[in-house]
Amino acid sequence: NAGVMQNPRHLVRRRGQEARLRCSPMKGHSHVYWYRQLPEEGLKFMVYLQKENIIDESGMPKERFSAEFPKEGPSILRIQQVVRGDSAAYFCASSPGQLGSPLHFGNGTRLTVT
Amino acid sequence: RKEVEQDPGPFNVPEGATVAFNCTYSNSASQSFFWYRQDCRKEPKLLMSVYSSGNEDGRFTAQLNRASQYISLLIRDSKLSDSATYLCVVNMAGSNYQLIWGAGTKLIIKP
Repeated sequence: NAGVMQNPRHLVRRRGQEARLRCSPMKGHSHVYWYRQLPEEGLKFMVYLQKENIIDESGMPKERFSAEFPKEGPSILRIQQVVRGDSAAYFCASSPGQLGSPLHFGNGTRLTVT
Repeated sequence: RKEVEQDPGPFNVPEGATVAFNCTYSNSASQSFFWYRQDCRKEPKLLMSVYSSGNEDGRFTAQLNRASQYISLLIRDSKLSDSATYLCVVNMAGSNYQLIWGAGTKLIIKP
């Protein structure tokens, strides 16, 4: 049973380019979370999605960031016009959604903006 | 007061010793509790869920104290490989998805 799959593992973008981060949840999981982690800092919640719905995007910057979880295919976190401050590790986690269910994390995507 | 608080450490502990740390939470109605560990530059990994009656998994014991609103993690016979940051996670009361993460306690096991 494959775990949460994220790709790419490492992504380098120049300022102003777009970054697309992909996440395939564990089999049977329909709930996806995205977190950001800066070096030496804790996890920061960004967005929570179920299939075709954004449930909570309170942690996501209002501009340049968007997320989706289509009916088919992986969840995508999209960052437009990246800036140096977007450099971070972006982790995706999934769960089956029941109360008491823990999250299972992917390996993360390390975004570097040059 | 933060919703979930942890002593950031670091806790420097000799190999073989027992170490314990707590995590306090502010909302008395919270229902689900977890301990995760995170190694440097890696993803958080679930260590254990914390049940009302307390639970044990090998050298690890987790306890929940609802009256004082904290959970604890005890590690016996610590190994070098236990060096990591330990993250406490609490669900927001009334929600089955909103999880509040502590900032983590850094543990360093020394030979």
